[in-house]
Amino acid sequence: QSALTQPASVSGSPGQSITISCTGTSNDVGDYNYVSWYQQHPGKAPKLMIYDVYNRPSGVSDRFSGSKSGNTASLTISGLQAEDEADYYCSSYTSSSTLVFGGGTKLTVL
Amino acid sequence: QLQLQESGPRLVKPSETLSLTCTSSGGSISTSYYSWGWIRQPPGKGLEWIGSMYYSGSTYHNPSLKSRVTVSLDTSKNHFSLKLSSVTAADTAFYYCARQVNRRRFDYWGQGTLVTVSS
Repeated sequence: QSALTQPASVSGSPGQSITISCTGTSNDVGDYNYVSWYQQHPGKAPKLMIYDVYNRPSGVSDRFSGSKSGNTASLTISGLQAEDEADYYCSSYTSSSTLVFGGGTKLTVL
Repeated sequence: QLQLQESGPRLVKPSETLSLTCTSSGGSISTSYYSWGWIRQPPGKGLEWIGSMYYSGSTYHNPSLKSRVTVSLDTSKNHFSLKLSSVTAADTAFYYCARQVNRRRFDYWGQGTLVTVSS
């Protein structure tokens, strides 16, 4: 299975909004509303930020939101804060009953 | 609050088998609805799902690793394990264990452990 496609890096200034895309195929992102997003700070374990495309776990800021159109899912972070600087990964359930991650996106807060 | 902790050898020789255990505290791995999985991350690179196992015993694996991967549960010890056979330097990575919900998302993660494959 091929990794989902994410941009290698995105950046934004404090207070701005950014969007990270995650492109898969009709066998994963396009066929299931089972896309998750993870935030990973250096030296730390990933943290679940969004699940099932749109949903936020308890305790995650509502500045984080998810969406999907066709084979592409997106994570939007509004009101950027310095603490949002991290790597972000998407993942999707697949038609083979497996999971696949994206290659990761490094978010820089300018 | 569920906590997961990986343990096992940090150095493995090429061609040998990597073995890791993930111990759960604050929650039982016998609980239905959850799978228990392993994810790895080579230093400086992205995440790769390795494989997962339901409490009922059914397992599923990354197709690229399937023939080398064994995931098992020991409910009596409240831990689950990973075995990866015939390792090479390419298997050097941080290995994370995690709780998986409905085969879809990982909601609790261990802190990760770096395993190096080297002679």
